[in-house]
Amino acid sequence: AQSVTQPDIHITVSEGASLELRCNYSYGATPYLFWYVQSPGQGLQLLLKYFSGDTLVQGIKGFEAEFKRSQSSFNLRKPSVHWSDAAEYFCAVGDFNGNTPLVFGKGTRLSVIA
Amino acid sequence: GAGVSQSPSNKVTEKGKDVELRCDPISGHTALYWYRQSLGQGLEFLIYFQGNSAPDKSGLPSDRFSAERTGGSVSTLTIQRTQQEDSAVYLCASSPGRRGPNTGELFFGEGSRLTVL
Repeated sequence: AQSVTQPDIHITVSEGASLELRCNYSYGATPYLFWYVQSPGQGLQLLLKYFSGDTLVQGIKGFEAEFKRSQSSFNLRKPSVHWSDAAEYFCAVGDFNGNTPLVFGKGTRLSVIA
Repeated sequence: GAGVSQSPSNKVTEKGKDVELRCDPISGHTALYWYRQSLGQGLEFLIYFQGNSAPDKSGLPSDRFSAERTGGSVSTLTIQRTQQEDSAVYLCASSPGRRGPNTGELFFGEGSRLTVL
């Protein structure tokens, strides 16, 4: 069965510092990978997704993620964090054909300090 | 509407009562999902509807939980004889299914926060 592990429950970074959120997945076929963000009191918003092609994908708000098949990872990065990036981040894996529901990790809460 | 709509946004009920949560997906989306979000637990899959196929109910935690989707559009999640551990935010999401640039992407509603006293 597919699964997603986000090893870091909570990360604190300084504003302007770089960020990397880790995501490891387990999936039997070619995965369809997503990162979602949930800001306080708001719904989940898609940051970026990977299906095929270039393994480095760009998303909204200056985020990017790199798919590494050999490591079963899809880590999220941002070169310079802004205070408004403080939120909960969820990685998810799914089946492109839509035959199975997306499976989400437990999330990583990001705090940003001045 | 433009997005996924859920109602009520907040529901407080007493233990043992039944509750119904409603989801109105984005028009034309063939797939509809229900997830449950508890503090520190991430998103727990509950049930999945895809077109006219039989729903995937594998995530429902007990037989007190059920869901239906009428006419391929609006969905209702019903929790019977609510327990305190049912307290959570229930999220609905819809997806365009297997076509177009948004294939597989989930569009989430704001959620229904359920509190069982």
